[in-house]
Amino acid sequence: EVQMVESGGGLVQPGRSLRLSCTTSGFTFGDYAVSWFRQAPGKGLEWVSFIRNKVYGGTAEYAASVKGRFTISRDDSKSIAWLQMNSLKTEDTAVYYCVRYVGYYFDSWGQGALVTVSS
Amino acid sequence: QSALTQPRSVSGSPGQSVTISCTGTSSDIGGYNYVSWYRQHPGKAPKLIIYDVTKRPSGVPDRFSASKSGNTASLTISGLQPEDEADYYCCSFAGFNTFWVFGGGTRVTVL
Repeated sequence: EVQMVESGGGLVQPGRSLRLSCTTSGFTFGDYAVSWFRQAPGKGLEWVSFIRNKVYGGTAEYAASVKGRFTISRDDSKSIAWLQMNSLKTEDTAVYYCVRYVGYYFDSWGQGALVTVSS
Repeated sequence: QSALTQPRSVSGSPGQSVTISCTGTSSDIGGYNYVSWYRQHPGKAPKLIIYDVTKRPSGVPDRFSASKSGNTASLTISGLQPEDEADYYCCSFAGFNTFWVFGGGTRVTVL
């Protein structure tokens, strides 16, 4: 069974940093790209970032709203992905989901990690 | 303001059919056959129910069907069941600058 488990969420002050982890199991992590999404309280889904697997260069993409502040990375030997979030703003408050990417769609979602940015 | 436009809510009685529309532009829905739909129950993670406009992942009942015409995609739930009460989101690939855009979500209520 494919599992995606987020961790590292919490309360953080504006301007500070936080790193989310996505621990995976049940599939060959290195064969897949991984994406992060978020959902602000009571709002819809927003794509945040995406990292390709090694076959496709392991390169990353970002939504305009987080570009330059967030960094996605991965360690295929540990089947883990991370989202480093710097210069956090109150509008970054959301549940963050780690998701497996399969050819233009997202088939396995984690349960989410709540990030609250507040002073 | 979401990039794709969905009705905020639709409702139907058990056994009936409901259809959710998702309207975008030629830069997203109209430009690519990469529309996916996700169902989200309150407090839960989204679940993929349709991909590549019309395809259902294994395990998703054939009560769920979808289509696309021009810049609008549609999801139809036939034979509505109580467990179908949830939020439904459409998603489209939007090119290699924007990547993915979502609709604002549609709350389906089973009366």
